[in-house]
Amino acid sequence: AIQMTQSPSSLSASIGDRVTITCRASQGIRSDLGWYQQKPGKAPKLLMYAASTLQSGVPSRFSGSGSDTDFTLTISSLQPEDFATYYCLQDYDYPRTFGQGTKVEIK
Amino acid sequence: QVQLVESGGGLVKPGGSLRLCCAASGFTFSDYYMSWFRQAPGKGLEWVSCIDTSGSYIKYADSVKGRFTISRDNAKDSLYLQMSSLRAEDTAVYYCARDLDVVVGGAHFDGFDIWGQGTMVAVSS
Repeated sequence: AIQMTQSPSSLSASIGDRVTITCRASQGIRSDLGWYQQKPGKAPKLLMYAASTLQSGVPSRFSGSGSDTDFTLTISSLQPEDFATYYCLQDYDYPRTFGQGTKVEIK
Repeated sequence: QVQLVESGGGLVKPGGSLRLCCAASGFTFSDYYMSWFRQAPGKGLEWVSCIDTSGSYIKYADSVKGRFTISRDNAKDSLYLQMSSLRAEDTAVYYCARDLDVVVGGAHFDGFDIWGQGTMVAVSS
């Protein structure tokens, strides 16, 4: 199975900060990667698919980049509603695999 | 509105069985691939299984292969997960999700855009 390694596992940031989360695949996965946001007690929410395509309705402060093995999710200016856990998910091969998650907390 | 509602979770003894249901509404269920995911308490997300629109193409995580069976009834707009030989490590919130199956530049990409609220499965004696 393809292993997805996210970093950092957690971070503290302030409102307005630029935040970057990375995800590395154990093998090349082209651009077959999505990003999801999850708040406590809630289902995940799709932010990005195909590595860099913003899902409809997601604010433009979110952006994604990367291909092959290295991917990045960037929040350009952190807002109060962005404090959550973020996961990458590869859809290049089965089984689909998630990164372990990055918890974004308030500094 | 577009929504998925899971049901069927509960407390079950090790070795027992349970059937989860995911009822879809607000969209043409038969047009979409569907998947099950789970999340153990305090842990990350895990993909469990997926099924194509007709029910003929199915995949499972190794951790559930041979024990879980995914199915769908397009006439009832419903997705199912039959779970048997349950283990303590199957304890989790189970989510169903719709796969957008987006086409970008001729390539297909997953995008799980609609999720249910989750149903808790606890396996304990």
